[in-house]
Amino acid sequence: DADVTQTPRNRITKTGKRIMLECSQTKGHDRMYWYRQDPGLGLRLIYYSFDVKDINKGEISDGYSVSRQAQAKFSLSLESAIPNQTALYFCATSDQPSDRAYNEQFFGPGTRLTVL
Amino acid sequence: LAKTTQPISMDSYEGQEVNITCSHNNIATNDYITWYQQFPSQGPRFIIQGYKTKVTNEVASLFIPADRKSSTLSLPRVSLSDTAVYYCLVGDMGWDTDKLIFGTGTRLQVFP
Repeated sequence: DADVTQTPRNRITKTGKRIMLECSQTKGHDRMYWYRQDPGLGLRLIYYSFDVKDINKGEISDGYSVSRQAQAKFSLSLESAIPNQTALYFCATSDQPSDRAYNEQFFGPGTRLTVL
Repeated sequence: LAKTTQPISMDSYEGQEVNITCSHNNIATNDYITWYQQFPSQGPRFIIQGYKTKVTNEVASLFIPADRKSSTLSLPRVSLSDTAVYYCLVGDMGWDTDKLIFGTGTRLQVFP
């Protein structure tokens, strides 16, 4: 979805390096999420933010940190990358639930990260 | 948190109707059922959502029986471009979005 962009799209790095993945959105949504996907597996939630001052850990937050710089920007950092963090990373956004149905998430194109 | 169970994979041919069933035996009263589609190397995309009975949009239909312990995504007359992974999610979309689990999904392969 062009409204949610991720940079970089691909990154190869070495063990121990600090890496930042960035996500920007023009949808005006308050809620933003970071997921990782390993080959053949579903998505797992790393961190999520319901507004600029709100940060929450997801299912697999160890080894990751996030920063919500503005409503439109949500960054994911790997403080010291390790090989098992090699995965496809997705950012997503969703609106505040004004209607309990149709609170869908909109995903970015993904960042493929390889840690050697 | 309602756990979902879906077939790992399904095969079909172009022009056929495909039905993918998801089991969610411990669905809660406030939970909705949502389906996403994911193409290789792309993020998931919302397909359809429902609470009970039947929901239809331009892409698919969602059938939910009265007990809501299962749901069926129906794709009419599939084409090669429907080859993708389909995820069934169950949860309270209003406030527990963070608890929604994508699982491994159902990998649909459509053949010519």
